[in-house]
Amino acid sequence: KQEVTQIPAALSVPEGENLVLNCSFTDSAIYNLQWFRQDPGKGLTSLLLIQSSQREQTSGRLNASLDKSSGRSTLYIAASQPGDSATYLCAAFDSNYQLIWGAGTKLIIKP
Amino acid sequence: SAVISQKPSRDICQRGTSLTIQCQVDSQVTMMFWYRQQPGQSLTLIATANQGSEATYESGFVIDKFPISRPNLTFSTLTVSNMSPEDSSIYLCSVDETGGSGYTFGSGTRLTVV
Repeated sequence: KQEVTQIPAALSVPEGENLVLNCSFTDSAIYNLQWFRQDPGKGLTSLLLIQSSQREQTSGRLNASLDKSSGRSTLYIAASQPGDSATYLCAAFDSNYQLIWGAGTKLIIKP
Repeated sequence: SAVISQKPSRDICQRGTSLTIQCQVDSQVTMMFWYRQQPGQSLTLIATANQGSEATYESGFVIDKFPISRPNLTFSTLTVSNMSPEDSSIYLCSVDETGGSGYTFGSGTRLTVV
């Protein structure tokens, strides 16, 4: 059974720093992996989708990588800003194309 | 990508009452998904709604408590029935984009039951 883990659960860094959020999964036979952002009390905003045949995707200051052999995905945020403060969730697609969720990393960027 | 309008965005309800949450998608989609996110937790899938058939509920969720309608390919509702404080959560709808674009979510409904 696929399990998804996100470490750390919370992270606080000064503005301007580059940072990496981690997502690990137990079954390397994932279909896709998607990263989301959630602001407090709100819905989810899709950040990046990495398909199983891809190794990384980039959007602006965000770069997501996928290493199926090691069971890991990372979300790299360059030049962090206070507006990046949010909870970041990763979700792995199982063989039925259903999402298996990590618990999220709560990110705080200090001005 | 699809745009989902979800409402209400938040509500405070008395225990024993019901609330219906609506999601409208700007394109036709085969499946719509309803999630619950309890305070401090990640998302839990409630049910999958296909147009023209009864929704498929996940373990721990029943139709009497969470009836779902899916009258057409762009709209769905989730009702939270006979509410108790334990139903206080964020409820989200989602669609699976065709063409491999992943999942898109509505803006969420923050429900507080008092």
